[in-house]
Amino acid sequence: DAGVIQSPRHEVTEMGQEVTLRCKPISGHDYLFWYRQTMMRGLELLIYFNNNVPIDDSGMPEDRFSAKMPNASFSTLKIQPSEPRDSAVYFCASSPGQGRSEAFFGQGTRLTVV
Amino acid sequence: GEDVEQSLFLSVREGDSSVINCTYTDSSSTYLYWYKQEPGAGLQLLTYIFSNMDMKQDQRLTVLLNKKDKHLSLRIADTQTGDSAIYFCAERSGTASKLTFGTGTRLQVTL
Repeated sequence: DAGVIQSPRHEVTEMGQEVTLRCKPISGHDYLFWYRQTMMRGLELLIYFNNNVPIDDSGMPEDRFSAKMPNASFSTLKIQPSEPRDSAVYFCASSPGQGRSEAFFGQGTRLTVV
Repeated sequence: GEDVEQSLFLSVREGDSSVINCTYTDSSSTYLYWYKQEPGAGLQLLTYIFSNMDMKQDQRLTVLLNKKDKHLSLRIADTQTGDSAIYFCAERSGTASKLTFGTGTRLQVTL
């Protein structure tokens, strides 16, 4: 398996624009997580899914943020409208949910909102 | 709720041992993990320990768990410049499958 795949790797957008980040989890993993990493706040869990169903979205900062998982092999994180303070690295991770259940991370999407 | 804390920065000389510490609050933690993040990359699992263990050794890495004090440490023997990275401690609660991460400790290895 190629691991967790995120796209794009880098995104630069203007304030007010819609941004969509994409993630393909590892095949067979039941859990998918979206994290945001900034210097100020470290690594924050935004939302996670189990079998495509959102379980906990308490970390989503505002209504401008939304996440979907239409099927087991794809998830999106959308920000609309984007603001400069959304600039961060966004990570997607997946986990089998069994045994030691470690999270496998993608390479991240570096988002810059100008 | 769960909380995981780490010191932010550690500097060691090449060849010395590094010890990175972590404290957590969730007494129902089942697994605890150490992840490494190199610049511009995602997090990669280094090692993990099950909550009923006190110690785990894996080549240059030694993980110590004091469950009573909710304290986890990662020791890297013979630290090399390639070990320079951010190290994250994480815990998995027995009641959920999400991982809670610490703030990360930036390890700097000097010559």
